[in-house]
Amino acid sequence: ILNVEQSPQSLHVQEGDSTNFTCSFPSSNFYALHWYRWETAKSPEALFVMTLNGDEKKKGRISATLNTKEGYSYLYIKGSQPEDSATYLCAFIDTGNQFYFGTGTSLTVIP
Amino acid sequence: DSGVTQTPKHLITATGQRVTLRCSPRSGDLSVYWYQQSLDQGLQFLIQYYNGEERAKGNILERFSAQQFPDLHSELNLSSLELGDSALYFCASSVEMRAGPVSGELFFGEGSRLTVL
Repeated sequence: ILNVEQSPQSLHVQEGDSTNFTCSFPSSNFYALHWYRWETAKSPEALFVMTLNGDEKKKGRISATLNTKEGYSYLYIKGSQPEDSATYLCAFIDTGNQFYFGTGTSLTVIP
Repeated sequence: DSGVTQTPKHLITATGQRVTLRCSPRSGDLSVYWYQQSLDQGLQFLIQYYNGEERAKGNILERFSAQQFPDLHSELNLSSLELGDSALYFCASSVEMRAGPVSGELFFGEGSRLTVL
């Protein structure tokens, strides 16, 4: 069993605050790293697909970085809004095509 | 709407029974994945099919089986159900343009919630 760890487990921030989460994964057999956003009572939706060491992706106020050599990815949200409240999942995909999801970081943005 | 359809949305059954969950992937997607989310657990990868063939297997119990049909829809069969099988079962699909590991994003269905009493 391979461990993909996300921290923190949960986070409460004030509207307008910037925040970031971490996804840690094995540095060997890396193929890709995905970030998903999962709102309550909905299904996960992809935010980013990252494959190269040093990748930086951005979508609006949300961005992500990837370090495959040390086995971590950061997700940043700038100026959090209440609609950003969700669980953010990362998934490590190894060279054998196995997907391993972390347990997620639950973000609550307080208006 | 992700374009992935799962049925049924909710299912209540008794221990020892057998159920079938159905998934229709997005149009054009060849890969289908099944995930289980139990209470307070993350998404556990069960199995993946690509164009009708099993591609990868995760933590899938022997009591569970799946298949992908020529029209690319997939079914997950759960038998000899136990209380611990109660969970939300997600199907996801993705595009694979070539053989090999997947890097494309997954599109998830809304899930089938199974309750075993």
